[in-house]
Amino acid sequence: GDSVTQMEGPVTLSEEAFLTINCTYTATGYPSLFWYVQYPGEGLQLLLKATKADDKGSNKGFEATYRKETTSFHLEKGSVQVSDSAVYFCALSLQGAQKLVFGQGTRLTINP
Amino acid sequence: GAGVSQTPSNKVTEKGKYVELRCDPISGHTALYWYRQSLGQGPEFLIYFQGTGAADDSGLPNDRFFAVRPEGSVSTLKIQRTERGDSAVYLCASSLWGAGNTEAFFGQGTRLTVV
Repeated sequence: GDSVTQMEGPVTLSEEAFLTINCTYTATGYPSLFWYVQYPGEGLQLLLKATKADDKGSNKGFEATYRKETTSFHLEKGSVQVSDSAVYFCALSLQGAQKLVFGQGTRLTINP
Repeated sequence: GAGVSQTPSNKVTEKGKYVELRCDPISGHTALYWYRQSLGQGPEFLIYFQGTGAADDSGLPNDRFFAVRPEGSVSTLKIQRTERGDSAVYLCASSLWGAGNTEAFFGQGTRLTVV
């Protein structure tokens, strides 16, 4: 079935470090890909998305590129801040299907 | 309201009891979703409404789970004969259309604990 696999956490970095959170997917069609973020005490929020191969989603300094050849959608940020501490979820949605399929989430902690 | 509202925020119930969880979506959003999130896991899809009808209920785990959206706005997730394994955070989301096309906005969830 359709699934999303994320790198296991937790991930702990120092402020201004480079961040990569790996995400790979398995899907029968051509999915749209998403990164959602959950800050402490808040609901899930869409961070960025990409709807077709080679698209790059970006927001708040985060980027992810839809790589069909490697079935990946890795999240990157060049210089993280303490305020980026949160749980990050990679997700997919198949064409014609409205539900989201989520990965297990990666907890990120940024230390000052 | 400004966002998706879920009530109660926490619910503790005894095994075997019936519970109802409520979701108030963003005004004007025709699509509404229920997900279940167990500890340390990502959200798992339960059911999707488009308007008043359940367009996809393939994620409901068994017939103890049921959801309604009678007027195309507020939705209620109903769980009969609760079991300890039902303990989880139940998330509701809404979007203008489907989540594949437009952003889904999530509520903060209802934490259900079955003792």
